[in-house]
Amino acid sequence: AQSVTQPDIHITVSEGASLELRCNYSYGATPYLFWYVQSPGQGLQLLLKYFSGDTLVQGIKGFEAEFKRSQSSFNLRKPSVHWSDAAEYFCAVGVYSGSARQLTFGSGTQLTVLP
Amino acid sequence: EADIYQTPRYLVIGTGKKITLECSQTMGHDKMYWYQQDPGMELHLIHYSYGVNSTEKGDLSSESTVSRIRTEHFPLTLESARPSHTSQYLCASEGVVRRDVSSTDTQYFGPGTRLTVL
Repeated sequence: AQSVTQPDIHITVSEGASLELRCNYSYGATPYLFWYVQSPGQGLQLLLKYFSGDTLVQGIKGFEAEFKRSQSSFNLRKPSVHWSDAAEYFCAVGVYSGSARQLTFGSGTQLTVLP
Repeated sequence: EADIYQTPRYLVIGTGKKITLECSQTMGHDKMYWYQQDPGMELHLIHYSYGVNSTEKGDLSSESTVSRIRTEHFPLTLESARPSHTSQYLCASEGVVRRDVSSTDTQYFGPGTRLTVL
């Protein structure tokens, strides 16, 4: 079965600093990988996704992520964090069950941005 | 973004009550999903549907039931709510969003229903 690990429960950065959120996955085949962001009281918003091709993917809000097969990782990065980026971030791996895709989520990383 | 809606957004209810959480989407997506998220925890898939009249149980066992009579609706029902059902329930649909040709095979989430059972 697939699994996702986000080793950092909580990260605090200063506004303007760079950010990297870690995600490691376990899956027997090439995974479909996603990063979602959840603001308080809101649903999940898709930041970016990787299906195939270029291992560096660009997302919304200035985020990017790099798929590294050798490390089973899909870390999320942003060169300069804004206060509005404070939220919880979830990494997910998608696998098919029949014709429906099941997403397995990590436990999330809470991001705090200091002024 | 996909247009997917959940009602109510918040619900506080007593033990033993029957409740239905509504989820609807206007994108014509065939695949829909329900996830349960406890505070500070990851999401777990509890139900999904390939299309009308199709429902399947997810990885996490749940006492809830779902139905899919129409493409746009995927309601979740608890026949007798208990405090252990207190959680956030997130609905998602999957398919192409007209405004985004790269949206294939992506799940779009509703805002969630935060359920508290006293």
